[in-house]
Amino acid sequence: KAGVTQTPRYLIKTRGQQVTLSCSPISGHRSVSWYQQTPGQGLQFLFEYFSETQRNKGNFPGRFSGRQFSNSRSEMNVSTLELGDSALYLCASSFGGGRPSADTQYFGPGTRLTVL
Amino acid sequence: DQQVKQNSPSLSVQEGRISILNCDYTNSMFDYFLWYKKYPAEGPTFLISISSIKDKNEDGRFTVFLNKSAKHLSLHIVPSQPGDSAVYFCAASDDRDDKIIFGKGTRLHILP
Repeated sequence: KAGVTQTPRYLIKTRGQQVTLSCSPISGHRSVSWYQQTPGQGLQFLFEYFSETQRNKGNFPGRFSGRQFSNSRSEMNVSTLELGDSALYLCASSFGGGRPSADTQYFGPGTRLTVL
Repeated sequence: DQQVKQNSPSLSVQEGRISILNCDYTNSMFDYFLWYKKYPAEGPTFLISISSIKDKNEDGRFTVFLNKSAKHLSLHIVPSQPGDSAVYFCAASDDRDDKIIFGKGTRLHILP
C-alpha cells in the first residue's frame, strides 16, 4: 500500500507570494491533518479535514487555509507569505470516523518551504 | 505557553542499555498520549500510545509509563539499538478539543 505523498518536496517563494501544497493520503483514509514544523516551535497543528469538511483548526492566522476533495486528497494554501512561514509542512492521514487524535496518523515526508 | 514539554533536547545512550525519554504536560484535561519517532527527511512514525485510564502500555521493546498526578510520561526503550537513533516526539490530546499537541522533541543517539 502506498504511503502518504506530498508535493512538491521543496519550494522557494518570496514574501508576499502565495503557495499551495498538496497531500495524497493512504488509500482508504478519509482524514487528513496538516502540521507546521519549525525548529523553535516544534510540530504545530494547522487543521484537520474529514469527508471534505474541516473538523478542527489550530491557532494559525486566516492566511493559512485548506480544503479536501472527494477523493480525500487535500491541499493547503498560504497567502501573503511571510519570512516566518519558512518551515516543514507535514500532512498526515488516518482512517477517520472515530476520535481523531486517537486514530493512528501516518505522516508524509513533508514539503520544505523557504520564504525569502 | 508550551503544554507539552520535552526538557532534554538530546540524549546519548550506549547500545544495549535502556533509553528513557521524558515528557511533562501542563493541561490536566489531556487524556490521550502518544509517542512518535522521526528520522531525517521522513515524516514522524507512530510508536506507541496510552490512555489516561492506564499507567503503563507495552509494545515489544517500547514501554510508556504515565504518572497522572505528576503530569509526566516516559518512554522506555529496552534494549536500545542503533536504529533507534532518531528524534522522539511526545504528544497529547484531550477529548474536548481533540487537537494533538506535540512537544519539541528529543534527539536520541545510540552509541556503539
